[in-house]
Amino acid sequence: SSELTQDPAVSVALGQTVRITCQGDSLRSYYASWYQQKPGQAPVLVIYGKNNRPSGIPDRFSGSSSGNTASLTITGAQAEDEADYYCNSRDSSGNPLVVFGGGTKLTVL
Amino acid sequence: EVQLVESGGGLVQPGGSLRLSCAASGFTFSSYEMNWVRQAPGKGLEWVSYISSSGSTIYYADSVKGRFTISRDNAKNSLYLQMNSLRAEDTAVYYCARDGLLPTPSYGMDVWGQGTTVTVSS
Repeated sequence: SSELTQDPAVSVALGQTVRITCQGDSLRSYYASWYQQKPGQAPVLVIYGKNNRPSGIPDRFSGSSSGNTASLTITGAQAEDEADYYCNSRDSSGNPLVVFGGGTKLTVL
Repeated sequence: EVQLVESGGGLVQPGGSLRLSCAASGFTFSSYEMNWVRQAPGKGLEWVSYISSSGSTIYYADSVKGRFTISRDNAKNSLYLQMNSLRAEDTAVYYCARDGLLPTPSYGMDVWGQGTTVTVSS
């Protein structure tokens, strides 16, 4: 299958913890990566691999995976975390080579 | 500073052509696999095309196969996307993105350009 499925929208109270999920068959073969995109800006990689953060990404961002589901967790969400979040992986079928989830709009209340 | 800068976007009529460029700096371009990713207005990210570090291996999304051609010039630290037979549904911001040198099963695009806008309209 060449699809990654995300909930379209999620909300979290300021300072609370939120989990954003991504489901797809390719996640049984590849770890998901996660991107944050704010309006008018390019995506930024926030999590890759089993649970790795690029330099400069706060440690409140973490990732996990089980079966065909990957999760991005933000522990102690901040106002600046309000953004669209996309998951992404190689596709196990190879066609397409790469797949993105539809994105989750995170609102911090 | 590691940087990708796209250029070449603009307004083009349906059926027309456009060539996008992506200039890389701050890293050894020839060592990295590269991608084009697009985002239609108000929509999510869509992978478009991939090219290996040497240029010998190329993949396309079905939506652009036969119309778009990805290429690179490692001597000029540049990535290209030749877009022919453009359609209204190709209207999007086009990003070039670097594949992180991650061991399987990890994957990720670790550096993105700011994007260039392509509008296909009569």
